[in-house]
Amino acid sequence: DAKTTQPNSMESNEEEPVHLPCNHSTISGTDYIHWYRQLPSQGPEYVIHGLTSNVNNRMASLAIAEDRKSSTLILHRATLRDAAVYYCMVTSTSYDKVIFGPGTSLSVIP
Amino acid sequence: GAVVSQHPSWVICKSGTSVKIECRSLDFQATTMFWYRQFPKQSLMLMATSNEGSKATYEQGVEKDKFLINHASLTLSTLTVTSAHPEDSSFYICSARGGRQGGHSYEQYFGPGTRLTVT
Repeated sequence: DAKTTQPNSMESNEEEPVHLPCNHSTISGTDYIHWYRQLPSQGPEYVIHGLTSNVNNRMASLAIAEDRKSSTLILHRATLRDAAVYYCMVTSTSYDKVIFGPGTSLSVIP
Repeated sequence: GAVVSQHPSWVICKSGTSVKIECRSLDFQATTMFWYRQFPKQSLMLMATSNEGSKATYEQGVEKDKFLINHASLTLSTLTVTSAHPEDSSFYICSARGGRQGGHSYEQYFGPGTRLTVT
């Protein structure tokens, strides 16, 4: 699977938008981009995924660069409950496993 | 989304004993389940992949005789930590892939994790 790089940590003020970047320069044409997040002492939670087009769901939006070598997870209004570690992964269409990188630890300031 | 449960949520055991952790997909059939281990302040580390009815595939460096995985049905996988030692103390997380009808087949749904402490 393609490797990803993310900033170790980010901060956001409550109720402001947050843009979490992810680089995946070795992504191949049919690889999907997945985002998960993990709250303290809990299992990871699915956030969103995409292939080429930008995606929106009730939790977040995913903006995928035209060359697909990077993507950005957008939380439109950060809340205190959004404080978590956010993981970006790239998975192939025939993958059998998901490898977690170190992720981005997001802090939300009241 | 689909629900994955783990039991127990936490366990304390004495060194040398064995501990079994269950992972269940509650509302879908999981053809593949994954087991991860997570130490404090670190990311999840994949231990093994298990497919229903076949032997698990272990990641490099993971002892298959110490971490026994059984995936006997499409809704249940178990991880047994045999002869546990204090260094096995960790947060163990399972995930299941299979998805409900209409769901993306490559999504993984994670359990809440099991905190193992070996004294």
